[in-house]
Amino acid sequence: GAVVSQHPSWVICKSGTSVKIECRSLDFQATTMFWYRQFPKQSLMLMATSNEGSKATYEQGVEKDKFLINHASLTLSTLTVTSAHPEDSSFYICSVTPTSYEQYFGPGTRLTVT
Amino acid sequence: GENVEQHPSTLSVQEGDSAVIKCTYSDSASNYFPWYKQELGKRPQLIIDIRSNVGEKKDQRIAVTLNKTAKHFSLHITETQPEDSAVYFCAASSGNQFYFGTGTSLTVIP
Repeated sequence: GAVVSQHPSWVICKSGTSVKIECRSLDFQATTMFWYRQFPKQSLMLMATSNEGSKATYEQGVEKDKFLINHASLTLSTLTVTSAHPEDSSFYICSVTPTSYEQYFGPGTRLTVT
Repeated sequence: GENVEQHPSTLSVQEGDSAVIKCTYSDSASNYFPWYKQELGKRPQLIIDIRSNVGEKKDQRIAVTLNKTAKHFSLHITETQPEDSAVYFCAASSGNQFYFGTGTSLTVIP
């Protein structure tokens, strides 16, 4: 299966600052990547679909100006949480889907906003 | 979009007993139904999956059943062991987008 990495694995930032999370597909050229958010003891919620070379597609209720997604190459997608607030503290996970029947997750990034 | 519901939210069983988790979905176009196991702070791990052209699939102690007409599918774990304790998520997919159930926290009591 595809190998996906994320960086950083854990980040603490102050309220009002921005933080960037990287998702890399190490052995698969991904034209599409997915970003999920998971609050403690809750399910994975699809935030957006990252499209290489074009704008991301955001799920209903997700602020595109707050969660900036850039998919600059076939192996890298970044999620920037702008003007972070404590309520943005969460576990952010990316994934790639080489086929319709496969999904491989990154290890996740834990964001803590103080 | 797709709406996936999962029950129960918590489940405790004695070691050796069976555990059953049920999910329903809303989009008849969904054709792929994976189940994931997630341990605290880690990424979800695929444990079993089923495609819409199959009614049942089994892998050792784990089995999944699918009823397309009723739009529901279930995970069955037999002879549960303490290491089965985790959060389990179902998902439904049509194309490349996956929508997850709300999760079931399974506790296997030794």
